Amino acid sequence: GAGVSQSPSNKVTEKGKDVELRCDPISGHTALYWYRQSLGQGLEFLIYFQGNSAPDKSGLPSDRFSAERTGGSVSTLTIQRTQQEDSAVYLCASSQVGGIQPQHFGDGTRLSIL
Amino acid sequence: GESVGLHLPTLSVQEGDNSIINCAYSNSASDYFIWYKQESGKGPQFIIDIRSNMDKRQGQRVTVLLNKTVKHLSLQIAATQPGDSAVYFCAENAGSQGNLIFGKGTKLSVKP
Repeated sequence: GAGVSQSPSNKVTEKGKDVELRCDPISGHTALYWYRQSLGQGLEFLIYFQGNSAPDKSGLPSDRFSAERTGGSVSTLTIQRTQQEDSAVYLCASSQVGGIQPQHFGDGTRLSIL
Repeated sequence: GESVGLHLPTLSVQEGDNSIINCAYSNSASDYFIWYKQESGKGPQFIIDIRSNMDKRQGQRVTVLLNKTVKHLSLQIAATQPGDSAVYFCAENAGSQGNLIFGKGTKLSVKP
């Protein structure tokens, strides 16, 4: 597709379960970012990938959060032992290269923890 | 610490009027700023960006102004239309890697 694709669009799960969120960036974009948006709030940076490596993981809120990127393309964000405070919209963005470039966002995964 | 904030959380304008959305930033080392539009249930949509070596940049019906002296950013939308109704976020880069720091957003409502 032409834009950033994220799946699933919605995810409801019970507290304590693990979830995996997927991001398919724009073809050819080497930089990939994950953000989290809580209800009515701005976006909070989680992690940045350049190719398959993650030079900046500073935004991950706890060790329950991890992410990987394979083949310089698709990325997955995994949350283990989910907590209610993990409920949010998880947004992925990509840009042609890292640095001062517009980031283009997908429509996010709305995660609800019961 | 670094922060990006907005002066007005909500803005209501009449269709056809010009809109101005303001943003203050605190990191004087930031060298890249960007505005996004977010509609309900959608991801942020890129509107316009500006680098710190510029003080004005124009797009189609939009203009971004950057005042580095007072660390202020604004987005001007000309002839505002109902389709412009959304939440608008300003963001600044946090470093050479490009991850962005976002403000909380301003909701723009356009009355027909």
